[in-house]
Amino acid sequence: QVQLVESGGGLVDPGGSLRLSCSASGFTFSDYDMNWIRQAPGKGLEWVSFISKSASTIYYADSVKGRFTASRDNAKNSLYLQMSSLRADDTAIYYCARDWALDSWGQGTQVTVSS
Amino acid sequence: DIQVTQSPSSLSASVGDRVTITCRASQDISIYLAWFQQRPGKAPKSLIYETSDLFSGVPSRFSGSRSGTDFTLTINNLQPEDFAAYYCQQYKTHPFTFGGGTRVQIK
Repeated sequence: QVQLVESGGGLVDPGGSLRLSCSASGFTFSDYDMNWIRQAPGKGLEWVSFISKSASTIYYADSVKGRFTASRDNAKNSLYLQMSSLRADDTAIYYCARDWALDSWGQGTQVTVSS
Repeated sequence: DIQVTQSPSSLSASVGDRVTITCRASQDISIYLAWFQQRPGKAPKSLIYETSDLFSGVPSRFSGSRSGTDFTLTINNLQPEDFAAYYCQQYKTHPFTFGGGTRVQIK
């Protein structure tokens, strides 16, 4: 069955960096576009980034553009989100999700930006 | 960017009730709207894609429909496990956008 497992979250100082990973299994990872979505405490869902199957197309939300970089390694069935210049309002649970209709989600990884 | 306005933000209902949640897109998104359920402390679960198609394993009491740029999620015969938050998402164009969410609470 499809499984997505995020990792790499944690507590980081404002201005710091963090790299999230999403490990995929149960499907042919290279056949699917992928996304990062986040949810701040007590808030709704916010789309963060989209990366196409071959990584030839990548989009970002305005709120993270220039600070976050999405990438993928199809040989390792893995998706990544490099986050830099982190701010308090980046505090959220970060999810990876498959395809345009977000048909499968991981369990999420918590990112807390605080001194 | 396409805005998606979801209503109501919360509602109270009883087991066995019929519930409707609406999302309005700011421009034409064709059929490219999905619905998600999120229980407290859990990841979102995919319910419906392309307006009205149920993902595998989703009970048939859930249904989706469209009228122009207005989209509706209907839950018939509300069950205890359906008390949760619901979100819509348009995926016609980037950036993908979500509705603000609807919390379905027990009356």
